[in-house]
Amino acid sequence: DTEVTQTPKHLVMGMTNKKSLKCEQHMGHRAMYWYKQKAKKPPELMFVYSYEKLSINESVPSRFSPECPNSSLLNLHLHALQPEDSALYLCASSQGQARSYNSPLHFGNGTRLTVT
Amino acid sequence: DQQVKQNSPSLSVQEGRISILNCDYTNSMFDYFLWYKKYPAEGPTFLISISSIKDKNEDGRFTVFLNKSAKHLSLHIVPSQPGDSAVYFCAASATHAGNMLTFGGGTRLMVKP
Repeated sequence: DTEVTQTPKHLVMGMTNKKSLKCEQHMGHRAMYWYKQKAKKPPELMFVYSYEKLSINESVPSRFSPECPNSSLLNLHLHALQPEDSALYLCASSQGQARSYNSPLHFGNGTRLTVT
Repeated sequence: DQQVKQNSPSLSVQEGRISILNCDYTNSMFDYFLWYKKYPAEGPTFLISISSIKDKNEDGRFTVFLNKSAKHLSLHIVPSQPGDSAVYFCAASATHAGNMLTFGGGTRLMVKP
């Protein structure tokens, strides 16, 4: 079982819908990440939160809005998405944003998003 | 421009034999490398890593080799088991980028009984 929990596992939404993806970890990690993975492609970084503050936004469109309510939770709010946004959205966490050789990224199982 | 490349999209190996997965990188700032394993419908799971100050790291059946001059690393699995069948991602990071990882495109390993 992964120690990073993502809900829902699957989500189908229309282009006018507003939905949210949720991620939770209880490992005491202070850095959390959103990655996007298209079919047969590697995961691509979207956002990084460090100590509950957004530290990196990889030029992601504003229809994706991240939120970190506390150190254990990370949300991704979705609005007015396009069909090409359909992908697997992965959440990850690590002890800190600074690299620790003993604490690699831990990933959740992802949310499979389909935009119709 | 892909900074981390896995040129073999798939690899098929007989159970008990060695699996060798390869990865090349172009960014000379990368100094830490990881391998992740991914089963369908699951997130990537950390497997093994290596720092650029080493050329080999071993953990049980898994060994990662790093050739800095060639900007090449490989993952050896010996002996291969059917449960090793998964997609393997090579990833790299640079000190200044912290835990931000750049992933390769993945290699699907199939271990046949």
